[in-house]
This record gives sequence, C-alpha cells and structure tokens, in this order.
Amino acid sequence: NAGVMQNPRHLVRRRGQEARLRCSPMKGHSHVYWYRQLPEEGLKFMVYLQKENIIDESGMPKERFSAEFPKEGPSILRIQQVVRGDSAAYFCASSRDRDNYGYTFGSGTRLTVV
Amino acid sequence: QKEVEQDPGPLSVPEGAIVSLNCTYSNSAFQYFMWYRQYSRKGPELLMYTYSSGNKEDGRFTAQVDKSSKYISLFIRDSQPSDSATYLCASQSGNTPLVFGKGTRLSVIA
Repeated sequence: NAGVMQNPRHLVRRRGQEARLRCSPMKGHSHVYWYRQLPEEGLKFMVYLQKENIIDESGMPKERFSAEFPKEGPSILRIQQVVRGDSAAYFCASSRDRDNYGYTFGSGTRLTVV
Repeated sequence: QKEVEQDPGPLSVPEGAIVSLNCTYSNSAFQYFMWYRQYSRKGPELLMYTYSSGNKEDGRFTAQVDKSSKYISLFIRDSQPSDSATYLCASQSGNTPLVFGKGTRLSVIA
C-alpha cells in the first residue's frame, strides 16, 4: 500500500531552467495539495487539485508556476525560469475526499537552484 | 497576523520529561485541528486530529483544543529520544486547505 510518491527526491536546476515535480497520490485518493517549505518556515499552501481540475490556487505565485493533475498520471508542479528564491522543499499531499481528517504527505522534492 | 502562530523553539528536554507544545490561531472559522510530526529531511506525518474543542488521547500523546482562547496544545508524556523532531500544528475550516504553524523543533536528550 504505497503512500504518496514524489519524484525526484532532489532536483538541481540552473537559474532560468524549468523544474518539473511529480506527485502520485495514495491509491484511492483523488485530491492533491502542493505545499512549499522554506528553511525555518512552515508549510505554505500553494494549490489544490482534483483530477483534471484546479480547485484552489490562491497560494500559487501568479507567474512562472503552474500545476496540473491529468486524468491519467501524476500531478505535476511546474516552475519555469527558476530563480534562487525558488530553492525549497516542495511537498505533495493527498486525501480521499475533500475531508477534514488530515492529509497524507509525500517525502518531498528538494529543489536547489544554482 | 499569521493565521496560526507557533513558537519555533528549539525546545530541549531530558528523556522521560513531559513536553508541552502550543499554538494559537486567529481564524474563528477553524474547526479542525491537527498535529504533524516531521523528522529531518522527511515529509510531515499526521500525529493527532481533533475536531472543535476538547481533548484527545493516543498513547503518550494528548491533543487539546480550547476554541474560546484559540489555543491548541500537544502534550507528550514520558518523552523518548525518538520523539526528537519538528512538530507542526495545523488548522482548517470546512472548505479551506490546511494552514500550518512554523513548527517547533524538539530535542529529547537521553
């Protein structure tokens, strides 16, 4: 019973390149959430998706960031033209319904922009 | 004012001590309260879940919520070195994503 799978675990990108972060939710979960964690900071909500729909993107920067959760395959968080300030741990979480019993998190992708 | 405030610590206690971790929140609409534990370089794992005010106990862990004062607490009894981690409180209303505190780093010294 695999949990939330994120890959890659570590990603190094040069300034100006694109970063693609992937998240496969737990089996039976159709709701996906992306959070960003900066050093010494808590988790900051970015975007909430269901299959083929963005439900809430209020925490997503308006430029360079996008997310999708296609009918088939993992959810993708895409960061275009990365800058040093994008260096952070990006966590994906999933839930079965839009419930309030807590989310299951993946192990995260640590993005370093050099 | 941040929606969920949490003292980042660090907090260092001897093995066997009772640990008290606390958060305050500002959004009166919050009804669901969670505590997550995060080990270094790992993802957060759900530790405790509470709805509205009251207490919930699970083994050595007790979560308390006082909605009148907007105060959330986690108590750890007989703390162990394996409890050393960052503890994150989180809250949400019925239809919003989880909002997290910054986390408190706890070290339990053998």
